[in-house]
Amino acid sequence: GDSVTQMEGPVTLSEEAFLTINCTYTATGYPSLFWYVQYPGEGLQLLLKATKADDKGSNKGFEATYRKETTSFHLEKGSVQVSDSAVYFCALTSSGGSYIPTFGRGTSLIVHP
Amino acid sequence: EAGVTQFPSHSVIEKGQTVTLRCDPISGHDNLYWYRRVMGKEIKFLLHFVKESKQDESGMPNNRFLAERTGGTYSTLKVQPAELEDSGVYFCASSQSRGYSEAFFGQGTRLTVV
Repeated sequence: GDSVTQMEGPVTLSEEAFLTINCTYTATGYPSLFWYVQYPGEGLQLLLKATKADDKGSNKGFEATYRKETTSFHLEKGSVQVSDSAVYFCALTSSGGSYIPTFGRGTSLIVHP
Repeated sequence: EAGVTQFPSHSVIEKGQTVTLRCDPISGHDNLYWYRRVMGKEIKFLLHFVKESKQDESGMPNNRFLAERTGGTYSTLKVQPAELEDSGVYFCASSQSRGYSEAFFGQGTRLTVV
């Protein structure tokens, strides 16, 4: 079945540092890939997505590229801010999983001033 | 447009009691999903409605959990009787169509069974 593997957290960075959160996946066919973010006290919200190989999703300075050859969708940001502190979830939907969103375990990001 | 709304935001109940969680999806969204996250672990799928029909309930842990979706609108998830291991955050999500479109999430219900 479909699965998503994310790097363990928490990830602790200083403001303006470079961020990478690794995500790899297993899926049948050609999945769509998503990053969701959960800020403290709030629900999950979509951060960015990519629906086919080599697509790059981007939003709020975050980027992720759909890499079919390495089955990866790593999240990056060049300069993080304290307000980026949140939990980040990698997710996918695929025909093999009946298009039910499948999530990783989440990576907590803590950014210090 | 109103987002996905969940009630209550927090619930603390004793083992053996009953709790009912409610989810109001975005109007017009046929797909409704329930998920649960236990602290630090993945967001685990529970079940999927298409309108009022259960499309997939393979993630429901056991028969103490009962989900309904009245008239294809709001949904309830009842846990009866609750056990300690049912503690976690229960998320509801809705989407207009499957596949490429994103799922919109509620803020979650934090359930604590003591």
